[in-house]
Amino acid sequence: AQTVTQSQPEMSVQEAETVTLSCTYDTSESDYYLFWYKQPPSRQMILVIRQEAYKQQNATENRFSVNFQKAAKSFSLKISDSQLGDAAMYFCAYRSAQAAGNKLTFGGGTRVLVKP
Amino acid sequence: DTGVSQNPRHKITKRGQNVTFRCDPISEHNRLYWYRQTLGQGPEFLTYFQNEAQLEKSRLLSDRFSAERPKGSFSTLEIQRTEQGDSAMYLCASSRGGAQPQHFGDGTRLSIL
Repeated sequence: AQTVTQSQPEMSVQEAETVTLSCTYDTSESDYYLFWYKQPPSRQMILVIRQEAYKQQNATENRFSVNFQKAAKSFSLKISDSQLGDAAMYFCAYRSAQAAGNKLTFGGGTRVLVKP
Repeated sequence: DTGVSQNPRHKITKRGQNVTFRCDPISEHNRLYWYRQTLGQGPEFLTYFQNEAQLEKSRLLSDRFSAERPKGSFSTLEIQRTEQGDSAMYLCASSRGGAQPQHFGDGTRLSIL
């Protein structure tokens, strides 16, 4: 079974600065997808960025970028130019690329605090 | 695209009662998922539908839990004889086929007195 680990329960960042969230995962599969989701307080989970394991190029979405290290099974998220609206729980998630493997396996989350 | 809709937003009930939650997915999405999220934790997978067929169930889904998706549209999740440990946020998500990402609803928070 796949597992996802987020080792940082909470990270604090100054507005306009950069913060990096860590995520490691364990799988025996070679083809899969990785995601970062954002969950603001009392609001719905929103997809931030996704990465296909077969792509070597790291995904980027505006101020959000990932560092995908397949051999190390590491998938970190960098938030640049942090804004107050970035404050939320961030979850790393894994999804198998097999036809039957549609479920997401989530890490425990990292709370991001943004200081004005 | 009106998003995934879940009702009710919050349900308070006494231990031993039955509860039912509803999820309306994004209209063109044929896949629907239920997850459970306890306080301070990441969501855990419960079950998955493709159209009306329930294709996968987690071992977390005890025999007190049942989910349906009649006609492949909305879905319901029922918990019978609720227990204190059932207190959690129940999240619904939907997606198109293939590698498309899942879109989540606001969730239903269940509180057991």
